[in-house]
Amino acid sequence: ETGVTQTPRHLVMGMTNKKSLKCEQHLGHNAMYWYKQSAKKPLELMFVYSLEERVENNSVPSRFSPECPNSSHLFLHLHTLQPEDSALYLCASSRWTGRGYTFGSGTRLTVV
Amino acid sequence: GENVEQHPSTLSVQEGDSAVIKCTYSDSASNYFPWYKQELGKGPQLIIDIRSNVGEKKDQRIAVTLNKTAKHFSLHITETQPEDSAVYFCAASMRLRNSNYQLIWGAGTKLIIKP
Repeated sequence: ETGVTQTPRHLVMGMTNKKSLKCEQHLGHNAMYWYKQSAKKPLELMFVYSLEERVENNSVPSRFSPECPNSSHLFLHLHTLQPEDSALYLCASSRWTGRGYTFGSGTRLTVV
Repeated sequence: GENVEQHPSTLSVQEGDSAVIKCTYSDSASNYFPWYKQELGKGPQLIIDIRSNVGEKKDQRIAVTLNKTAKHFSLHITETQPEDSAVYFCAASMRLRNSNYQLIWGAGTKLIIKP
């Protein structure tokens, strides 16, 4: 365990479903991130939160909606996804933005 | 936009030999360069990092070198062992608004250690 916990580990959803990914950290970190990891591509930053405020939204489609209710929890709400959204979704946290990320093990998402 | 290029994409070395992975970055303002190791079924894990005011840093069998003028940095693993087999990612910092930063990532190198 790294200190960043992601649930669920695996998720299969239809294109009309609504689901949420959860990330939790108790490392005392102030920044949290969502990344998308697809095969043979660099890690794609989706969202950055610092002190519960969104500081970066990297041109992510509106079918992905983040929520950061407090500095320990981060959610990614999913609705009407496309098959190309299938990937590993990684959550990370750090004490401050851009330094010393701790990653969770990810949620393997398959959209059918 | 800013980017980080990483080479090679796959590296196969004999156990006990050394492995070198290279990255170049485009943002001359980058001042922090971490390396992460990702094993199967896990998220990336920080293994070593270097700041722009330092040219080299070592931690047991791994070392990172930085050439700011050329804007490239490298990961060196000596005396490779089977457990070094993984995907390695380099990254470089980039400033966002309001004094926040993000990391720009390389595409990864799959390191295979042959017994």
